[in-house]
Amino acid sequence: ELKVEQNPLFLSMQEGKNYTIYCNYSTTSDRLYWYRQDPGKSLESLFVLLSNGAVKQEGRLMASLDTKARLSTLHITAAVHDLSATYFCAVDPYTGNQFYFGTGTSLTVIP
Amino acid sequence: DAGVTQSPTHLIKTRGQHVTLRCSPISGHKSVSWYQQVLGQGPQFIFQYYEKEERGRGNFPDRFSARQFPNYSSELNVNALLLGDSALYLCASSWVAVNFYEQYFGPGTRLTVT
Repeated sequence: ELKVEQNPLFLSMQEGKNYTIYCNYSTTSDRLYWYRQDPGKSLESLFVLLSNGAVKQEGRLMASLDTKARLSTLHITAAVHDLSATYFCAVDPYTGNQFYFGTGTSLTVIP
Repeated sequence: DAGVTQSPTHLIKTRGQHVTLRCSPISGHKSVSWYQQVLGQGPQFIFQYYEKEERGRGNFPDRFSARQFPNYSSELNVNALLLGDSALYLCASSWVAVNFYEQYFGPGTRLTVT
C-alpha cells in the first residue's frame, strides 16, 4: 500500500523562527508536489519537484527532493503569520494526474 | 482565463440518496481527476479521466462513478450516500508538460450527508 507521511502533523511556531516539514513516501516517484490549503479553501500549488536533488525556493519557503531516500522537505525561513495554513505533499508514481497526498501539516505562526 | 470550476459549491443530501457533482477544466486541459477530502485529512484520489477514458481509479466502492464529456467537462456520481461520504470533493485538471503533470484544483464541492 502506498503511504505518504508528513511530520509533524501540527506545528506551532513563533514569527521569525525557522522550521522544516518532512514528507516520506513508500513508493518510487520522481515527481513530488507541495500544496498549501487555507481553511475552507482549495489547494494552491507551491512547488513541483521533478528529479532527485531538485531544490526550489519561493519567498520564505524552500522545497527539496531526495528520491533515493524517498524524502522531501519544506523549509520555512523567518516565519510570518501569513504562512499559517495546512501544507500537503503529494507524489505521482503512476501514469500521471493520480496524486497521493500526505497527511498534511497544520502550521500556525504566532506573533 | 477561467480556472477550474465546480458546481454546486455546497450540497446537503440524505443517506441513501444520489448526488452528481460537476467540473469544468481549464480551457485546453484534457485530463480531469477527482479527489475526496474528509475533514482533517489529505485529499484521496478517486478517478482520473483523459480524453474521455478512465485512466485510473482509487480505492473507492462501486457507488462512485464518473464520466468525461466531449468538451472535457466531467461528472462525479455517488449512489446510496452514506454519512461517511460527507467531504470536500475536489476536481483537478491538467495538461501534459515535459515529463510532468501539474494539476490545478477547483474550489471544491462540499457535500454534507445527513
